[in-house]
Amino acid sequence: AQSVTQLDSHVSVSEGTPVLLRCNYSSSYSPSLFWYVQHPNKGLQLLLKYTSAATLVKGINGFEAEFKKSETSFHLTKPSAHMSDAAEYFCVVTPSGTYKYIFGTGTRLKVLA
Amino acid sequence: DTEVTQTPKHLVMGMTNKKSLKCEQHMGHRAMYWYKQKAKKPPELMFVYSYEKLSINESVPSRFSPECPNSSLLNLHLHALQPEDSALYLCASRDSGSDTQYFGPGTRLTVL
Repeated sequence: AQSVTQLDSHVSVSEGTPVLLRCNYSSSYSPSLFWYVQHPNKGLQLLLKYTSAATLVKGINGFEAEFKKSETSFHLTKPSAHMSDAAEYFCVVTPSGTYKYIFGTGTRLKVLA
Repeated sequence: DTEVTQTPKHLVMGMTNKKSLKCEQHMGHRAMYWYKQKAKKPPELMFVYSYEKLSINESVPSRFSPECPNSSLLNLHLHALQPEDSALYLCASRDSGSDTQYFGPGTRLTVL
């Protein structure tokens, strides 16, 4: 069965310090992996996606993620947090050949001034 | 353009009302989705349409009735809802080339 685990429900960082949001997945086949961000009462915005072209994926707003097959991880990073990064982040996997998407439980990022 | 639009933004309805949510995309995507999202939770899949046909129904109560009139439009008809149906309803479309979903801004539904 496919699954996604976001290892931290809450992460707090100071503005200007690095961000690390952790995601592990379980998938029988080569999955596609995504990170989405959701600001309060908004829809989900695509940050970045991994679809087997390159293991280091760059996204919008300075975020990037590295796909590590040996660790079944897809952690999201940003070198320097900004106040506007405060939001909920979802790691999502879709096994190839299906219409379904499996969401992690989300990580709430708080950025302290 | 990767925009999915949803109307209305907010909806308040009584338990005896009938209302509809609308979703539209012009990206040529042939799969469209309805999700329900409660506070502090990830979205829960409700329905998937593929090529205007219902392909997935996640055992959603019949008081929710989806409709896909054409490849750009997706509706969700609501009737006799319960207060626990209050939530953010999200529409998404899927780019089959990259398996990427694009989400609309959602409709915040409150059932009184």
